[in-house]
Amino acid sequence: DSGVTQTPKHLITATGQRVTLRCSPRSGDLSVYWYQQSLDQGLQFLIHYYNGEERAKGNILERFSAQQFPDLHSELNLSSLELGDSALYFCASSVGPGTSGEQYFGPGTRLTVT
Amino acid sequence: GEDVEQSLFLSVREGDSSVINCTYTDSSSTYLYWYKQEPGAGLQLLTYIFSNMDMKQDQRLTVLLNKKDKHLSLRIADTQTGDSAIYFCAESISSGSARQLTFGSGTQLTVLP
Repeated sequence: DSGVTQTPKHLITATGQRVTLRCSPRSGDLSVYWYQQSLDQGLQFLIHYYNGEERAKGNILERFSAQQFPDLHSELNLSSLELGDSALYFCASSVGPGTSGEQYFGPGTRLTVT
Repeated sequence: GEDVEQSLFLSVREGDSSVINCTYTDSSSTYLYWYKQEPGAGLQLLTYIFSNMDMKQDQRLTVLLNKKDKHLSLRIADTQTGDSAIYFCAESISSGSARQLTFGSGTQLTVLP
């Protein structure tokens, strides 16, 4: 158990809908990262938050957004969903800058868009 | 640029050693990581190495780093069926005050009885 929690574990929704994925980092970690894992794209970095502030963006679509709250949990919002958004979405956490940067991953949310 | 490459598949016999290889391109990488993903699970951090090291050993795991060739390997001694999983190597790139990870495509390790 990495100490990172994600909810829900599975999510099935229809095209055009909006969903919110939630992540709680390990105790003491200030950085939260979101990744998308699909068969054709592999593991893609989406976005990074540190202590409530956005720090870096990767291959994140404009239909997707995220935030990190004062209690350090994070939410990833996916809107206008398309079939191609079906994937595993992982959250990872790390202590923050100035460290060896290892990230600890949650169990993931499997999103199925029908 | 950032690119991490791994071979897709590796099969070994139980009890043999497994060697999973990875190449990366960014010479500014300072840390390199190995993660393990079992079916339906998240990525589990196995080990990492700092770029000024050549080798790191942790029980059955040995990481070798050839910085000149930008080549990283993970050796698993006495491979067991429980080691069957996908193994990802990742490089760490500093981006401002943050550290981003770029992952390879993963190597599917199958351990045969």
